[in-house]
Amino acid sequence: GENVEQHPSTLSVQEGDSAVIKCTYSDSASNYFPWYKQELGKRPQLIIDIRSNVGEKKDQRIAVTLNKTAKHFSLHITETQPEDSAVYFCAASIWNYGGSQGNLIFGKGTKLSVKP
Amino acid sequence: KAGVTQTPRYLIKTRGQQVTLSCSPISGHRSVSWYQQTPGQGLQFLFEYFSETQRNKGNFPGRFSGRQFSNSRSEMNVSTLELGDSALYLCASSLSRLAGGPASSYNEQFFGPGTRLTVL
Repeated sequence: GENVEQHPSTLSVQEGDSAVIKCTYSDSASNYFPWYKQELGKRPQLIIDIRSNVGEKKDQRIAVTLNKTAKHFSLHITETQPEDSAVYFCAASIWNYGGSQGNLIFGKGTKLSVKP
Repeated sequence: KAGVTQTPRYLIKTRGQQVTLSCSPISGHRSVSWYQQTPGQGLQFLFEYFSETQRNKGNFPGRFSGRQFSNSRSEMNVSTLELGDSALYLCASSLSRLAGGPASSYNEQFFGPGTRLTVL
């Protein structure tokens, strides 16, 4: 089955710096890659996602890149702010349109700390 | 729209007991997935239900089971509880479009607040 590796497990940056979190997946059939942010004591929330027909997607300070050949995808956060501090999870899924939803296989998470 | 709700929010059980957790999806969502979250293993997929049928199953023992009702509400059951079952159990719902819709129909999973299960 699918396996998702996520690095680093912890990341500390200064406010205003950029943060990059990387994930690799094993199943070449995976075609949907969401990123979730989980603040302490709260539920995971989707912050951005990318599908296998797209190489890059941006949403304000957040961007995700996908390299299907290498089977890895990355989250980029620019101009980090203290409120970006949280645990970030990447995930991979096989979405067969009109058929199986597919599960989400998550990476182990990255604890991002943004120091003011 | 109301978000995904889960009951109860906290639960304390002893080894050997069984437990039932409930999840009410966002109105109109037909898919419900369950995940176990622990500090050591992170978020692990348990199973997914769509239209009252289990569509996907993760690598958990048969002690973990679930079901979905006609109103899309879902329950999961854990029998013969073990200490290692202590975790936050999250459910997530999604719209899960049917064939015939727009080509790009990947659907976000919206998570509930979770049920914190402690096994003593």
